[in-house]
Amino acid sequence: EAGVTQFPSHSVIEKGQTVTLRCDPISGHDNLYWYRRVMGKEIKFLLHFVKESKQDESGMPNNRFLAERTGGTYSTLKVQPAELEDSGVYFCASSRGTEETQYFGPGTRLLVL
Amino acid sequence: AQSVTQLGSHVSVSEGALVLLRCNYSSSVPPYLFWYVQYPNQGLQLLLKYTSAATLVKGINGFEAEFKKSETSFHLTKPSAHMSDAAEYFCAVSKGNSGGYQKVTFGTGTKLQVIP
Repeated sequence: EAGVTQFPSHSVIEKGQTVTLRCDPISGHDNLYWYRRVMGKEIKFLLHFVKESKQDESGMPNNRFLAERTGGTYSTLKVQPAELEDSGVYFCASSRGTEETQYFGPGTRLLVL
Repeated sequence: AQSVTQLGSHVSVSEGALVLLRCNYSSSVPPYLFWYVQYPNQGLQLLLKYTSAATLVKGINGFEAEFKKSETSFHLTKPSAHMSDAAEYFCAVSKGNSGGYQKVTFGTGTKLQVIP
């Protein structure tokens, strides 16, 4: 069984540009989560999808962040326009139904210059 | 509200010595507790989890953790450190028995260094 995959693994962009991160969850996992770790801080929850619906987006920092999960499969997280403080590692995780364990991807390391 | 405190952002142990990584949690409901590990340039991997069954939980690579409700702790231990244990370890909590759909709250992480 393939794990959670994320693309790209690294991204370096300039302030004001747009970046789109992609996450492919484990096949059959209805739940998909996005988290972010800013350097030196804890990993923080951004939002949660159940299939294609946003269940909880209380952790999204501001309206420069847009997450989608069309068709309930893969998800994208777009940052537009990117700011310096958006730099960090963005993790995606997925889980089955009501299972408590979330399986994490390798993360996308975003650097905004 | 739930929170996690990991004592010590960096811990160094000698190879073969006991590993003890501390984690205290706060939760308004009975929690689920997790330890994740991140090896260099890799993603988060689940080490072990507590979900209200046995209070002593055994995980992969010889790690275990004990849930102590009275101390609100979930410390991670391993009797003998190996060089390959060098990584960053995250304690995490989520609300138990909430039917899934639960966000996980992480601690700030502890980097473990193993000295030959």
